[in-house]
Amino acid sequence: EPEVTQTPSHQVTQMGQEVILRCVPISNHLYFYWYRQILGQKVEFLVSFYNNEISEKSEIFDDQFSVERPDGSNFTLKIRSTKLEDSAMYFCASSNDRYNNEQYFGPGTRLTVT
Amino acid sequence: GENVEQHPSTLSVQEGDSAVIKCTYSDSASNYFPWYKQELGKRPQLIIDIRSNVGEKKDQRIAVTLNKTAKHFSLHITETQPEDSAVYFCAASKAAWGGATNKLIFGTGTLLAVQP
Repeated sequence: EPEVTQTPSHQVTQMGQEVILRCVPISNHLYFYWYRQILGQKVEFLVSFYNNEISEKSEIFDDQFSVERPDGSNFTLKIRSTKLEDSAMYFCASSNDRYNNEQYFGPGTRLTVT
Repeated sequence: GENVEQHPSTLSVQEGDSAVIKCTYSDSASNYFPWYKQELGKRPQLIIDIRSNVGEKKDQRIAVTLNKTAKHFSLHITETQPEDSAVYFCAASKAAWGGATNKLIFGTGTLLAVQP
């Protein structure tokens, strides 16, 4: 069964550094999402992406964040200048149907900012 | 604003008993309600979902019910097994037209512990 994949599984970075988190959505999916989960808390929506543009973003997704689909398979989340409070698990998700909206999550990237 | 409340935050049951987790949503336009199971350090896994045109859906030992009037939906697990132990999240979303995507608004999670 196809799955969403993410790399790296764990990223440690220093405050102020740029990080890029990578995702490969399920191949026939068209709708892509990033969520984050701070340790012990609920999953929070960051941004959604369709047809090569952002569809919606949350207030968390400020100017330090950007997303890109550089080719036909990858979907990336960039944080330009990381802060301590960016430490969290970042999940990519994808779906193939906007109405039915079954979103399948990747294994996550644990980002630790020191 | 959009919000999903989830109760209880922790639930401990004996193996073989039933477990019920309840959620309430605020946005009356919500029309899709999935449930995710998350084991420690793993990805959230979709286990069952329900759409607003249906009141109940069942898949083997798990079922979900939806009360649109009260804006409540619930997850029911029967004959619980130790492998059901995990954090369960409810979520809500609404169909967005014109090509927009549908974000999931998650509840705060329920830690279910099934005691053997």
